[in-house]
Amino acid sequence: NAGVTQTPKFRILKIGQSMTLQCTQDMNHNYMYWYRQDPGMGLKLIYYSVGAGITDKGEVPNGYNVSRSTTEDFPLRLELAAPSQTSVYFCASTRDRGGEQYFGPGTRLTVT
Amino acid sequence: GEDVEQSLFLSVREGDSSVINCTYTDSSSTYLYWYKQEPGAGLQLLTYIFSNMDMKQDQRLTVLLNKKDKHLSLRIADTQTGDSAIYFCAESRNDMRFGAGTRLTVKP
Repeated sequence: NAGVTQTPKFRILKIGQSMTLQCTQDMNHNYMYWYRQDPGMGLKLIYYSVGAGITDKGEVPNGYNVSRSTTEDFPLRLELAAPSQTSVYFCASTRDRGGEQYFGPGTRLTVT
Repeated sequence: GEDVEQSLFLSVREGDSSVINCTYTDSSSTYLYWYKQEPGAGLQLLTYIFSNMDMKQDQRLTVLLNKKDKHLSLRIADTQTGDSAIYFCAESRNDMRFGAGTRLTVKP
């Protein structure tokens, strides 16, 4: 199993540009999560999904959108990038809600 | 909302024990976790403890849980330079909440 994979690893965006961060897991997990990690801070939950076709907002959803058309994929969309979205983004998945989360390697995004 | 708090930095000498502390506020937490993050990588689960346990030992790692005080600690015995990383405490009942992480530096 590859586990949780994320692409790209790094990206620089200009203010106002759009992009999609990709996340895929091959463990047949129902639950998937997107977090952002700012320097010196813990992880903040952006969006999560409890299964294909179902998504819900986390703690910091503004400026982001997600979709979950398949069990495997959970892309995160930034429509109008802002400097405040400069962060490291982690995708995670778990079999059971509240259970061990498996993390991807992260995407480091800079918005200038 | 519910919070998970940790001190941000800890520095120890190689061979010493490290103790990383965490406090949480959600008394209904089911599991409490310790994750390790090495530079440029995602988080990896180190160990976890079920909320009805007081202690869990796994090789060099000892987790202590004081449910009354909502205090969790991670002790690493014989700390090595390879243990240098950021350690995150997390609690869950439904969703998971993370602390800000403790950066452990191990000096030779």
